[in-house]
Order: sequence, then C-alpha cells, then structure tokens
Amino acid sequence: DGGITQSPKYLFRKEGQNVTLSCEQNLNHDAMYWYRQDPGQGLRLIYYSQIVNDFQKGDIAEGYSVSREKKESFPLTVTSAQKNPTAFYLCASSATGTQTGDTQYFGPGTRLTVL
Amino acid sequence: QKEVEQNSGPLSVPEGAIASLNCTYSDRGSQSFFWYRQYSGKSPELIMSIYSNGDKEDGRFTAQLNKASQYVSLLIRDSQPSDSATYLCAVNRAGGTSYGKLTFGQGTILTVHP
Repeated sequence: DGGITQSPKYLFRKEGQNVTLSCEQNLNHDAMYWYRQDPGQGLRLIYYSQIVNDFQKGDIAEGYSVSREKKESFPLTVTSAQKNPTAFYLCASSATGTQTGDTQYFGPGTRLTVL
Repeated sequence: QKEVEQNSGPLSVPEGAIASLNCTYSDRGSQSFFWYRQYSGKSPELIMSIYSNGDKEDGRFTAQLNKASQYVSLLIRDSQPSDSATYLCAVNRAGGTSYGKLTFGQGTILTVHP
C-alpha cells in the first residue's frame, strides 16, 4: 500500500526545545517537500529536496533544518530559533522534475503546538 | 499583488448547484496548475491537474485554464454536501531552480447546504 506517512500526528513542544518531524514515502518519488499551514491560510514552503543528499530552502526556512540521506525519508527539525512554530506541518512528494511528474501528494500532517 | 489569489469566500451553494472557484496567478511563466481539496483538520488531496489551455473534465469536476488571462478555475457540478471543504489552488513556478515549487492560494471555503 503506497503512500506518505508522517509521525507523530500531534506533537507538543516546550519553549527552547528542538523537535523532529518524520516523513517517509514508499512511492519511489525523487522529490520531497515540507510545508507549513497556519489557520485560515494556504501552504508555505519550508524546504524541498529533488534528490538524495541535496535540498534547498523554501520561502520560510529560518528556524528549520532538514536532511535527505535516503530517498524515502525527509525529516524536518523545528529548532528553538523558530519563534512561532505552532502550525500544521505537511510533507509532500512528487515523482520527478518533469512536468507530468510534478504532481505533489501529501502525507496526513503533523500538528505541532508550543506549550 | 499575491502570487496566487483565490476568490474570497466563504462560498455557499445549494445541493445540486454548480460551484465555481476561481484563481489568478502572477507568474506568466507558470506551467502546471492544481486544485486540491482539504477537509477540516486533514491534509490536501489532489482533485485535478491541468497543463494546457482549455477545459479538463473528471466526473463532476471541470478545470479551466486560460494562460493569457493568467486564470484557472474549478467547476463542481451537482454539488453535494460532501463537497464542503476548503479548495486550494496551486501553481508550479516557472522552470530552472524553481522547478517543482508550488505556490498556494489562501483557499476558498465551500459549503454545500441541503
């Protein structure tokens, strides 16, 4: 059963803590993405990776870090430098960089709350 | 001007009516266009993708693209209460290093009432 999994579903963070959100896909997709969604707003791109061991900053990368050591995995770390991390975090993947392969499919999301 | 802008909602239509959702974009070089549906508390799910000018139909859904006017729309025929959700328009930026980066509109909330 192919798809994208994210864990945990809910995450609570104390001030000053780093937390890591997991994203795994078994779709054999080359590209993976992290988005943040705030209430009543669209999605904003945090980081993306088009190939293993390479990734680029999106529009709101400050306070976040990623790694892409395996094709299937693209974890996101929310660092203490991110001052307003409470949001819904969505991971997505797409097949290739070609036009017909650029459709992005989303995981179920992780809801992060700062206590 | 926002890069991707959707008609402000919420939009309310009666069951069985046609719901029309609109989206404009600013980057004339954009090549790929997507409509996602997002239920409250859930992640977006793909409804339609469109790449060429004209209409693309899939069941009750029709996407329309006009690159000259930088406009993409989604029509939902025979709207059902289960169509009530937020609809997100997404545009793939032009090529080069921007390839694969989607820009999303703010979403339009659709309510279909019985």
